[in-house]
Amino acid sequence: EAGVAQSPRYKIIEKRQSVAFWCNPISGHATLYWYQQILGQGPKLLIQFQNNGVVDDSQLPKDRFSAERLKGVDSTLKIQPAKLEDSAVYLCASSALENTEAFFGQGTRLTVV
Amino acid sequence: QQQVKQSPQSLIVQKGGISIINCAYENTAFDYFPWYQQFPGKGPALLIAIRPDVSEKKEGRFTISFNKSAKQFSLHIMDSQPGDSATYFCAASWNTGNQFYFGTGTSLTVIP
Repeated sequence: EAGVAQSPRYKIIEKRQSVAFWCNPISGHATLYWYQQILGQGPKLLIQFQNNGVVDDSQLPKDRFSAERLKGVDSTLKIQPAKLEDSAVYLCASSALENTEAFFGQGTRLTVV
Repeated sequence: QQQVKQSPQSLIVQKGGISIINCAYENTAFDYFPWYQQFPGKGPALLIAIRPDVSEKKEGRFTISFNKSAKQFSLHIMDSQPGDSATYFCAASWNTGNQFYFGTGTSLTVIP
């Protein structure tokens, strides 16, 4: 079974630039999560999708972050414009609808300079 | 507000020793408590998980102890090995498909 795929692995941008991350969940997984993991901290949920609908985006800074999962499969997370404090690892995870176990991708390490 | 509190922040154990990491939670609606292991440059991977209807779950060298009344749970790693050196996160969730609330992580180093 293929795992959760994320790209790119690393990204360095200047503040005020925009950036996009891509995630392809495990085939058949209805639930997709985007987490932000700041160095030395635990992952924090940004947004959760179930199929192509948003379940929870209460912690997503909507003035600069956006995410979509148009066909209920892969997803894109965008930051525009980026701030220095957005430097973090962005993790995508997925789970089957009937299962609580979440599988994480390797993450995208973003550095904003 | 930190939904799940984890300690210690870092832990150094001799090979063959027991590693113990503790977590506490406030929300009594949580009904699923996983532990994740994360190696540098990798995403978190599920290690072991427990539901509050049991007080202990063991899988190989890894054991979760759960105290529902105290709202605490802990991970015990028996016979710790250098390959266990990683960051460990406790987490909590409720109902199927809901988000996970993670602790702040414990960096474990097992000295040969």
